[in-house]
Parts: sequence; structure tokens; C-alpha cells
Amino acid sequence: GNSVTQMEGPVTLSEEAFLTINCTYTATGYPSLFWYVQYPGEGLQLLLKATKADDKGSNKGFEATYRKETTSFHLEKGSVQVSDSAVYFCALPGGNNRLAFGKGNQVVVIP
Amino acid sequence: DAGVTQSPTHLIKTRGQQVTLRCSPKSGHDTVSWYQQALGQGPQFIFQYYEEEERQRGNFPDRFSGHQFPNYSSELNVNALLLGDSALYLCASSFSRVGAEQYFGPGTRLTVT
Repeated sequence: GNSVTQMEGPVTLSEEAFLTINCTYTATGYPSLFWYVQYPGEGLQLLLKATKADDKGSNKGFEATYRKETTSFHLEKGSVQVSDSAVYFCALPGGNNRLAFGKGNQVVVIP
Repeated sequence: DAGVTQSPTHLIKTRGQQVTLRCSPKSGHDTVSWYQQALGQGPQFIFQYYEEEERQRGNFPDRFSGHQFPNYSSELNVNALLLGDSALYLCASSFSRVGAEQYFGPGTRLTVT
């Protein structure tokens, strides 16, 4: 079935640094791709999505481009803030309306 | 408009006990999905309910069961609790069409001792 793989390990960086979190996918066809964010003690919030190849999703300064040639959907932000500290999950439909998630990456932004 | 709500927020149970978690979907949504998120892991799909029927199920044992009510709210029941059932249980609601965006609740943190 469809699945996503996220880079291993937490990400620690200083405020105003550039953030990249890698996500690659395996899928039948070209499903929509999502990034979800989970702030401490909270549920998941949809951060951005892309519905077809070459689409760029963007929200709150974050961007991700759906690249079918590399089967990737990397998340980027040019200048992170302390408030961006959270866990980020890459996801795609795993069949019908279920979602398949990656393991997540904890991002810690240091002032 | 209230989003997805879940109750209780936290719960502590003993091995072998049974637990019921509750979810109210976002207004207008008719489909509810449940996910289990173990510490440090991504959410894993448990099952999905639509029109009061279980529409699809993930790789979870029969100890996990659910129900959807006519008002689209849902319950997740877990019997014979194991220590490994300790996790954050997330409810997500959506419209029934394929590819519809899922909206998540804040979750219920279950601790089994």
C-alpha cells in the first residue's frame, strides 16, 4: 500500500535558520500529499497539501513541492521561529479515506 | 463552529480493564476515523465509520471496536487492555467523498498501568 518515509531523528536549529524536513513516498498513481503539524499536547493540524504533481503547497511560511520524478514532498521554511517548535508528519491516503503517516520529525527551535 | 471534540482528555486504566473513548465530529461531517499514536510514532489507522457502519479497518485486533451514532458521533472501545495500548487516540472527521480533508481532534491520552 501507499506509504511515506521521513528522515530520521529530531531537528534542532536556531531561530531564523532554514528548515528542511525530507519526505519520500511510495504510491499507486499520484495521490494528494500532506504535511501535518502537532504542537505539544495537541492533536494534528493540516499544515499544507498538494493534490497533483508539481503542485506547491504553502502555509504560514512553509512550502512543499510535489515532485513525482523523485517521489518527494520535502517541507521547507526559510526562517523559523520558536513558535514553529512542533512535530511534523508527512502523510498520504493509504486507501479510501484513511491516511498513512510517516514517523514524524520533532523540530526544536532555539532562541 | 466547533471543531472535532474528544473526551476524556486523559484516562488511566489497569491492564485487563475496558475503556470507551468518545468523539464528536466537526459540524457537517459524516465520517469518523480513529487513529492510535504511540509515543514518538506517527498515527496508525484503527478504523473508519460512515453511516453507522465500519467502512474499513486497519491492522488492529478485535479488542478494538467502535460505534457511530445517528448524529455521526463515535465511540472507540478497547477491551482487555494491555500495557501496549497506552497511546494518544486521535479522532478525525471528514466528508465521505474520496480525498476529503480530515480534521483531527485534540486526542485522548490513555495510560494503561
